[in-house]
Amino acid sequence: ETGVTQSPTHLIKTRGQQVTLRCSSQSGHNTVSWYQQALGQGPQFIFQYYREEENGRGNFPPRFSGLQFPNYSSELNVNALELDDSALYLCASSLQGGDEQFFGPGTRLTVL
Amino acid sequence: GENVEQHPSTLSVQEGDSAVIKCTYSDSASNYFPWYKQELGKRPQLIIDIRSNVGEKKDQRIAVTLNKTAKHFSLHITETQPEDSAVYFCAARTDKLIFGTGTRLQVFP
Repeated sequence: ETGVTQSPTHLIKTRGQQVTLRCSSQSGHNTVSWYQQALGQGPQFIFQYYREEENGRGNFPPRFSGLQFPNYSSELNVNALELDDSALYLCASSLQGGDEQFFGPGTRLTVL
Repeated sequence: GENVEQHPSTLSVQEGDSAVIKCTYSDSASNYFPWYKQELGKRPQLIIDIRSNVGEKKDQRIAVTLNKTAKHFSLHITETQPEDSAVYFCAARTDKLIFGTGTRLQVFP
């Protein structure tokens, strides 16, 4: 198992609500990436955070936003939830400039 | 942007046989190619990776090959076992990691 943790494990929301997901990176890792994995699909890159700033973004609308804290932990916020936001949200930690990314267990978000 | 295609989408083999999964990528600037194994309900786990300055890498029963000219890379699993059954994802990275669509491998005893 990696040292990456995520909370909560599962979450159920309704359309239009807002959600915050949390990720604690592996010890010593200063970069956190977030991915959305829809059922039966590969993970899709949302964005990456390094030194508390967004450092790369995938093809996701602005209602997907994030934060990174001084201890390198991170949050993913999604506003105005839509049904299609239902997915497994994964965070991965790494060293800036490093190759390997280590994934957390994910948060399963269901939007009704 | 980068696009990664992965084939086949499903693969069934008999225990002891070999399995090969192939990926192609579009961005010639991609320089890192990891493979992840994801069991049902679990996180993706890195099983092997290769960098663009290497053509082949092996780790016990698992090997990866990279053809930069053709923009192809492949995962080879020899002597498959039932516990190899999972979904396998390839990925390619320039400034971000782009994943393939996955291959569901089933190994029958």
